[in-house]
Amino acid sequence: DAKTTQPTSMDCAEGRAANLPCNHSTISGNEYVYWYRQIHSQGPQYIIHGLKNNETNEMASLIITEDRKSSTLILPHATLRDTAVYYCIVRVAVDSNYQLIWGAGTKLIIKP
Amino acid sequence: ETGVTQSPTHLIKTRGQQVTLRCSSQSGHNTVSWYQQALGQGPQFIFQYYREEENGRGNFPPRFSGLQFPNYSSELNVNALELDDSALYLCASSRRQGNTEAFFGQGTRLTVV
Repeated sequence: DAKTTQPTSMDCAEGRAANLPCNHSTISGNEYVYWYRQIHSQGPQYIIHGLKNNETNEMASLIITEDRKSSTLILPHATLRDTAVYYCIVRVAVDSNYQLIWGAGTKLIIKP
Repeated sequence: ETGVTQSPTHLIKTRGQQVTLRCSSQSGHNTVSWYQQALGQGPQFIFQYYREEENGRGNFPPRFSGLQFPNYSSELNVNALELDDSALYLCASSRRQGNTEAFFGQGTRLTVV
């Protein structure tokens, strides 16, 4: 079962920041939050991940609340090519390994 | 381009048949994971292979099996195909266990009729 809940869809104007929320209220202390996106007809693409602290890379920023029950992915200057389904994922430990538990994702549409 | 290639890209099979899907992982990656993605849903973890051994499995029946070869490429085999097996099958490779930053292939679209 998915451990995350996300809005089904969102719109954002081109050039503006896109803020994608995610709830993961049952996350455990050692479980990471990952974000991937999937552009139509392609395989998912890794964006960013984090545990407690906020993270930033060349693609996006990840803001995790202090209680770790929710997070926000920020695309600072959205372009039309950022239109995709964005998945917020929790990495859980299973036996001696880890699994990514995916939800249904948010369909983000960037409008000109 | 992620360096992960899957074949074939599309496949149509009849219920009850068997199918083999293939994946070549990115150079330097020793871990391969397989996912099933039904239309409109997120990917569901099938299993992971690390150094040629199954190393983690999701909630899929034994008729879903796999192999990893010494060059770290991998196969997913599905026996006794059912209509509900129709989906996009994704392969992802990573440098090590833990499903850290994984690189996905384009997937194989399987249709069971």
